[in-house]
Amino acid sequence: SQQGEEDPQALSIQEGENATMNCSYKTSINNLQWYRQNSGRGLVHLILIRSNEREKHSGRLRVTLDTSKKSSSLLITASRAADTASYFCATDEGGTALIFGKGTTLSVSS
Amino acid sequence: DAMVIQNPRYQVTQFGKPVTLSCSQTLNHNVMYWYQQKSSQAPKLLFHYYDKDFNNEADTPDNFQSRRPNTSFCFLDIRSPGLGDAAMYLCATSGGPFGEQYFGPGTRLTVT
Repeated sequence: SQQGEEDPQALSIQEGENATMNCSYKTSINNLQWYRQNSGRGLVHLILIRSNEREKHSGRLRVTLDTSKKSSSLLITASRAADTASYFCATDEGGTALIFGKGTTLSVSS
Repeated sequence: DAMVIQNPRYQVTQFGKPVTLSCSQTLNHNVMYWYQQKSSQAPKLLFHYYDKDFNNEADTPDNFQSRRPNTSFCFLDIRSPGLGDAAMYLCATSGGPFGEQYFGPGTRLTVT
């Protein structure tokens, strides 16, 4: 099955800085979702953006979607130590269920 | 609170000894999923149910089976666990096949 690709694989920043991670996919989609996973835990849904939307906000999160480039970005502003986690994008390009990307591991140090 | 519950959180089994992991949900969602996640990897979909319709991913080993006796419960059976089956197993639900998924906390399986 196809799989999205996140970039970078790992990101280390200081508290207060912004974190940007990117996701690319291969075929057309109806929606793209971002999830967070704290170490040893289940995934938590962050935001869903539909293919006809270009940008969406939720608190300190900003997601953009460029369907012409088949890519999305997740921006976390004013990051906190509690944002330390792995972040996954997921798309419906698989046709039967969501396909998760490989994830970006974010480390925020105080 | 509506939620997805997985039991047990940690499971140790012996090589070749059948094991069953369970998942229950109070969200009344139509779709339930089982994922396998190994260290530092993406969740890998094993199978999902849309109501009672079972959908098996093409590369899911025959060693893995699933049962969904009713809307609320779903089970993952590993008939003869190998060392390579040691992983986190995640259960998730959604209202539709491409909607927001709600995950349980996972079951960490160790095979000795």
